[in-house]
Amino acid sequence: NAGVTQTPKFRILKIGQSMTLQCTQDMNHNYMYWYRQDPGMGLKLIYYSVGAGITDKGEVPNGYNVSRSTTEDFPLRLELAAPSQTSVYFCASSQGQGGIGTQYFGPGTRLTVL
Amino acid sequence: AQTVTQSQPEMSVQEAETVTLSCTYDTSESDYYLFWYKQPPSRQMILVIRQEAYKQQNATENRFSVNFQKAAKSFSLKISDSQLGDAAMYFCAYRSLAGANSKLTFGKGITLSVRP
Repeated sequence: NAGVTQTPKFRILKIGQSMTLQCTQDMNHNYMYWYRQDPGMGLKLIYYSVGAGITDKGEVPNGYNVSRSTTEDFPLRLELAAPSQTSVYFCASSQGQGGIGTQYFGPGTRLTVL
Repeated sequence: AQTVTQSQPEMSVQEAETVTLSCTYDTSESDYYLFWYKQPPSRQMILVIRQEAYKQQNATENRFSVNFQKAAKSFSLKISDSQLGDAAMYFCAYRSLAGANSKLTFGKGITLSVRP
């Protein structure tokens, strides 16, 4: 049981480039989340999903897109990278009605946009 | 909207001593969850302890315990017998039970150092 895995661990992008951050969980959780953590700050929610085929915006969705075609996978897409998207990105999952179970986090992806 | 405040940016504790990390929050809801997460240099977010607002009894997990004061909207974390491995950033977080979005609202975190 690997929990929540994220790839890549590190990435440097040039302004305007695109990339997909991968997230996979093997706990059969219905809820999944993407957060970003800026230096010296707590995490802020980008997007979340309550199940396969269902996604919704969080606090800071601009510049990102998500999809949820399977229970296990919840990729985050950056279409036109900007320096403001330099951050550490965390994927998380949870179970239980309303997703109220404990959220389990992946190890994070450190993204730098130059 | 809910807010979580951690007013101490840094704290230091001697190994084997006890330290308390403070957290306050603001909400108009009566039912919610509160959490403390640990983030070591590896950056992974690790759940330390969780408290349900409807429970009067303070949660305890081994050396970690909380002081939950619902009326004061205060949720502090006590670490007993501090160990070098406790050095990390600690985040207080709030989760509403209302609505379909069970997102966590985080404080800014506190950096805890442990002196040998």
